[in-house]
Amino acid sequence: EAGVVQSPRYKIIEKKQPVAFWCNPISGHNTLYWYLQNLGQGPELLIRYENEEAVDDSQLPKDRFSAERLKGVDSTLKIQPAELGDSAVYLCASGDSSSFSGTDTQYFGPGTRLTVL
Amino acid sequence: AQSVTQLGSHVSVSEGALVLLRCNYSSSVPPYLFWYVQYPNQGLQLLLKYTTGATLVKGINGFEAEFKKSETSFHLTKPSAHMSDAAEYFCAVSPRSGGYNKLIFGAGTRLAVHP
Repeated sequence: EAGVVQSPRYKIIEKKQPVAFWCNPISGHNTLYWYLQNLGQGPELLIRYENEEAVDDSQLPKDRFSAERLKGVDSTLKIQPAELGDSAVYLCASGDSSSFSGTDTQYFGPGTRLTVL
Repeated sequence: AQSVTQLGSHVSVSEGALVLLRCNYSSSVPPYLFWYVQYPNQGLQLLLKYTTGATLVKGINGFEAEFKKSETSFHLTKPSAHMSDAAEYFCAVSPRSGGYNKLIFGAGTRLAVHP
């Protein structure tokens, strides 16, 4: 079974430029997550989707960040414009909440390492 | 608010020695508990989780963790370290209160294994 796929793996841009990250979850998973991981820290949730609905975007900086999951499958996270402080790893994860046990196990992709110069 | 504390940002052990990575949570109601491992330039992989039932949980790669409510702890152990265990380990919690609740991660512990 294929895991969570993310692209690109690495991205270097200059500040004020736009950037987009793509995530394809594990087939059949209805939940999708975007996380931000700063160097030396644990991941922090940016946004959670159930199918195509964003059910938790409280931590997403909406002035410059946006995300979409139009058909409830793959997802795109965008930053416009990027700032120096956005340099980090952006992780995507997916899960299956249908067999509800209070929390769905999340499976992570390899991440996109963003460097803003 | 829920929080997770991982004691020791770096742990170094000899190959074959016991691995002990510490995790404590702050919550009046015990949350769901997880350990993830992250190898260099890779995403996080679930090692094990505790939701209910037996408090000693066995995971992949010979790791196990024990939920101790009285100590609000969920320490990760492995009897004998292998070189391939060198990685970053994250403890995470998810509150139990009704419906979905997000994962909250600790800052991580980097495990080094030397010959």
